[in-house]
Amino acid sequence: QVQLVQSGAELKKPGSSVKVSCKASGGIFSSFGIGWVRQAPGQGLEWMGGIIPVFETTNYAQKFQGRVTITADESTTTAYMELSNLRSEDTAMYYCARVPRQFPDYWFDPWGQGTLVTVSS
Amino acid sequence: DIQMTQSPSSLSASVGDRVTISCRASQSIASYLNWYQQKAGKAPKLLIHGASSLQSGVPSRFSGSGSGTDFTLTISSLQPEDFATYYCQQSYSLVGFGQGTKLEIK
Repeated sequence: QVQLVQSGAELKKPGSSVKVSCKASGGIFSSFGIGWVRQAPGQGLEWMGGIIPVFETTNYAQKFQGRVTITADESTTTAYMELSNLRSEDTAMYYCARVPRQFPDYWFDPWGQGTLVTVSS
Repeated sequence: DIQMTQSPSSLSASVGDRVTISCRASQSIASYLNWYQQKAGKAPKLLIHGASSLQSGVPSRFSGSGSGTDFTLTISSLQPEDFATYYCQQSYSLVGFGQGTKLEIK
């Protein structure tokens, strides 16, 4: 049973960057990918992008292109999502989730517990 | 981008009711449609993938149907633990989520 554990809450200043980690356990890391979804307070789910570590491929939502970088370390079975040039609108809960290795059969299950990122001066 | 529109945005129902939530895509997505349940303060949970395949461990009162542009999530007999927000998600062209449907107790 795959479990995903994310890093702790972050408080960041506008213009800075944040890097959230997502450690996978209980499964074979090379057999799946990791996707990232965020949720602003009181709002819906927003896909940011994903990575397939074994293929070293990434996909990003157009909205975040150039500002988000998703990486993975197979040796530690950990994925990372780095978001740069933070603004107040980036205040949100950030989730990682396991995804299949390729589109279009692509869904998020299971999910990490979420990491709250707050952007405030 | 493919737009996903859920209806209604909110819904009040009683325990035991049969409930349907709709999700419409702005273009055909074949059967690449998934459904999630999210309870307050918790991460979402996958219910249905591929439009109609029940995820392991999900109660059989949940079912999904549809293809092309129109999809439905049905809860056959609402239980107290089903009051939550539900999201659809397409994966035909990258990823997109519906805006959510909040299911509340009447």
